[in-house]
Amino acid sequence: GENVEQHPSTLSVQEGDSAVIKCTYSDSASNYFPWYKQELGKGPQLIIDIRSNVGEKKDQRIAVTLNKTAKHFSLHITETQPEDSAVYFCAASHARTQGGSEKLVFGKGTKLTVNP
Amino acid sequence: DSGVTQTPKHLITATGQRVTLRCSPRSGDLSVYWYQQSLDQGLQFLIQYYNGEERAKGNILERFSAQQFPDLHSELNLSSLELGDSALYFCASSVEYRRSEQFFGPGTRLTVL
Repeated sequence: GENVEQHPSTLSVQEGDSAVIKCTYSDSASNYFPWYKQELGKGPQLIIDIRSNVGEKKDQRIAVTLNKTAKHFSLHITETQPEDSAVYFCAASHARTQGGSEKLVFGKGTKLTVNP
Repeated sequence: DSGVTQTPKHLITATGQRVTLRCSPRSGDLSVYWYQQSLDQGLQFLIQYYNGEERAKGNILERFSAQQFPDLHSELNLSSLELGDSALYFCASSVEYRRSEQFFGPGTRLTVL
């Protein structure tokens, strides 16, 4: 089955710096890669996702890149702010055309701390 | 707010007991997924229901069961509880056709004493 590895497990940056979190996956059939942000005491919040027919996607200060050949994808956060501090999870899934996606297989998470 | 609701928010019970966790998906979403989050195992998929039918099973123990009702809400039943079942349990929902996004609820924190 699918296995997702995520690095680093903790990341500390200064406000205004960039943060990069990397994930690798094992199943070449996976075609959907979401990123979730989880704040303390809350459920995971979808912040950006990418499908395997796209190499890069941006949404304001957040971007995700995908390298299908190498089976890895990354989250880039620019101009970090203290409110970006949270645990970030990458995930991989196989999205069907009907019936929604299959299960998400998550990485172990990265605790990001943005220091003011 | 994702639109997915879960009750109760917290649950404290004893070993050997049985509990039921409830989830209401976002309006219009037909799929419901249950995940368990623990410190050692991370976020693990348990089971998926689609429009009332079981769609996929993950690492769900035989002591656990779930169902999705005609109004699309779902319940996760955990029985013969053990200390190791203490965890956060999340429900997620997704739209059916050509959409992959899963939206998570706030979770139920289960503590087994």
